[in-house]
Amino acid sequence: DTGVSQNPRHKITKRGQNVTFRCDPISEHNRLYWYRQTLGQGPEFLTYFQNEAQLEKSRLLSDRFSAERPKGSFSTLEIQRTEQGDSAMYLCASSLNGYTFGSGTRLTVV
Amino acid sequence: DQQVKQNSPSLSVQEGRISILNCDYTNSMFDYFLWYKKYPAEGPTFLISISSIKDKNEDGRFTVFLNKSAKHLSLHIVPSQPGDSAVYFCAASSPNTDKLIFGTGTRLQVFP
Repeated sequence: DTGVSQNPRHKITKRGQNVTFRCDPISEHNRLYWYRQTLGQGPEFLTYFQNEAQLEKSRLLSDRFSAERPKGSFSTLEIQRTEQGDSAMYLCASSLNGYTFGSGTRLTVV
Repeated sequence: DQQVKQNSPSLSVQEGRISILNCDYTNSMFDYFLWYKKYPAEGPTFLISISSIKDKNEDGRFTVFLNKSAKHLSLHIVPSQPGDSAVYFCAASSPNTDKLIFGTGTRLQVFP
């Protein structure tokens, strides 16, 4: 058990480009969450999966954002047409009976 | 609309003394509260939690107190150690959801 793994750790992209992040949860955890943390703020909920079903989405998750968990294991978060306001730390967590967070992917949009 | 508030952005405490971190919430539907600790370049790690049916929960050096009438909780760390230096987030959840609502965090510095 290596914990929750997120890749890449850092991503710098130009405004307007698409980016995709990956999260590998702890293998026996059936629930997976995506959060976003901006400077000076706490993590903000984006979306959550139970197995492969996406059960809840925040209104923060605009139509440029899409998340998938195709086989109920790893998950991807894609941001299309990135904007400078998308610059943040994107955190993934998995849960069976309590959250375990990954180390996050820091996105910088220039 | 900040439903969970941590009004102190930072706190500095001498090693061996008590650290008290505070958190206020506005949503009376919250029934479970958690504290997380975060080091730079790492994700938050769970520290301690409390259900709304309790008013105190203790785990070693860490104690969380919940005052439902005041919609206030606090985390006590005693004795404080330099390794406790980190950002501490308060979080809350409502029944029938796993979603956590986080506060903005308090940076604790424990100096020798």
